[in-house]
Amino acid sequence: IAGITQAPTSQILAAGRRMTLRCTQDMRHNAMYWYRQDLGLGLRLIHYSNTAGTTGKGEVPDGYSVSRANTDDFPLTLASAVPSQTSVYFCASSRGPEDEQFFGPGTRLTVL
Amino acid sequence: GQNIDQPTEMTATEGAIVQINCTYQTSGFNGLFWYQQHAGEAPTFLSYNVLDGLEEKGRFSSFLSRSKGYSYLLLKELQMKDSASYLCAVRDSNYQLIWGAGTKLIIKP
Repeated sequence: IAGITQAPTSQILAAGRRMTLRCTQDMRHNAMYWYRQDLGLGLRLIHYSNTAGTTGKGEVPDGYSVSRANTDDFPLTLASAVPSQTSVYFCASSRGPEDEQFFGPGTRLTVL
Repeated sequence: GQNIDQPTEMTATEGAIVQINCTYQTSGFNGLFWYQQHAGEAPTFLSYNVLDGLEEKGRFSSFLSRSKGYSYLLLKELQMKDSASYLCAVRDSNYQLIWGAGTKLIIKP
């Protein structure tokens, strides 16, 4: 692994289903982030974690949850998917909150 | 509220110079970032400004005026591979990035 990986690359999901998007980084970065990117809108922060064991809510946290059990992994869970959660999801990491963020390749999620 | 404004789309010619503007209104300011995003790919870091003035990095330069809430990204000697979206982001008082919607730059031969 080099950098940040995300899985799956893309997914089509029925509304009401539970889904976990995976994110792993091997840069030993302390901070990690989940964003969604929708056409015509800027990246919007869903949740973040400044260090392992802590998480915080971003701009659009409703319907999503995260955990940060260790430094490398930061999964994002949709407990009961809805069509408005159709989006491209990017995971990012940075050495600290004050540093530049590095992005994973993204997960394209479609909720029908 | 917090707001980042950038033009939606710009067109330029290969070999020319283009300036992409960004204006912002945020709760606090702890730096401004520019990222490049090719279609279907992840954003990649281009530049960072926290003090007023110009930061130069090869063909790319970024300028900041904190008193005016204004930044621009200057791209020189444009190449076809520079066709991409350019994202402006401001780090607010909570150290969270607030992102503009991006400027799609189209380079014509």
